[in-house]
Amino acid sequence: EPEVTQTPSHQVTQMGQEVILRCVPISNHLYFYWYRQILGQKVEFLVSFYNNEISEKSEIFDDQFSVERPDGSNFTLKIRSTKLEDSAMYFCASSVGGADTQYFGPGTRLTVL
Amino acid sequence: AQSVTQLGSHVSVSEGALVLLRCNYSSSVPPYLFWYVQYPNQGLQLLLKYTSAATLVKGINGFEAEFKKSETSFHLTKPSAHMSDAAEYFCAVRNNAGNMLTFGGGTRLMVKP
Repeated sequence: EPEVTQTPSHQVTQMGQEVILRCVPISNHLYFYWYRQILGQKVEFLVSFYNNEISEKSEIFDDQFSVERPDGSNFTLKIRSTKLEDSAMYFCASSVGGADTQYFGPGTRLTVL
Repeated sequence: AQSVTQLGSHVSVSEGALVLLRCNYSSSVPPYLFWYVQYPNQGLQLLLKYTSAATLVKGINGFEAEFKKSETSFHLTKPSAHMSDAAEYFCAVRNNAGNMLTFGGGTRLMVKP
């Protein structure tokens, strides 16, 4: 069964460094998403992406964040200058259409020291 | 704005007992409602969804949920708990104006032998 994959499973970085989290969505899906879950808190929506554009974003998704689909398979989340409070589990998801079920990857745990 | 409240961050049941996980939502428009399950070290897996068809929704692994508009609830039930049901369960809502999911805080289900 097709699934969303994410790499790395765990990323440790120093405050102020740039990180790129990678996701491979399900191949026939057209909508891509990033969510995050800070330890002990709710899963929060960051951004949705369709047709090479951001279609929706939350207040969390500020200028420090960017997303890109650099090729036909990868979908990336970049954090330009990480802060301690960026430490969280980051989930990628994809769906066929915007109203369809979102399928989630296993997550990348980001630790900012 | 939409929101989701899950009553009880931890629920413990005996094997074979009824499972009831509570979810209440608020939404200004008719919602789409979802239950996801997360097993240790895995991503979020869709259990079931309500999309304005039948109010009683059956999902995988013997789970079902009933949409009650008057109570703004979408509680998840399973008649007989199995050890393999131990996981974290998330209720989520999406309105038809966008594609972001808003999650509840999650409920960790423990199943005692």
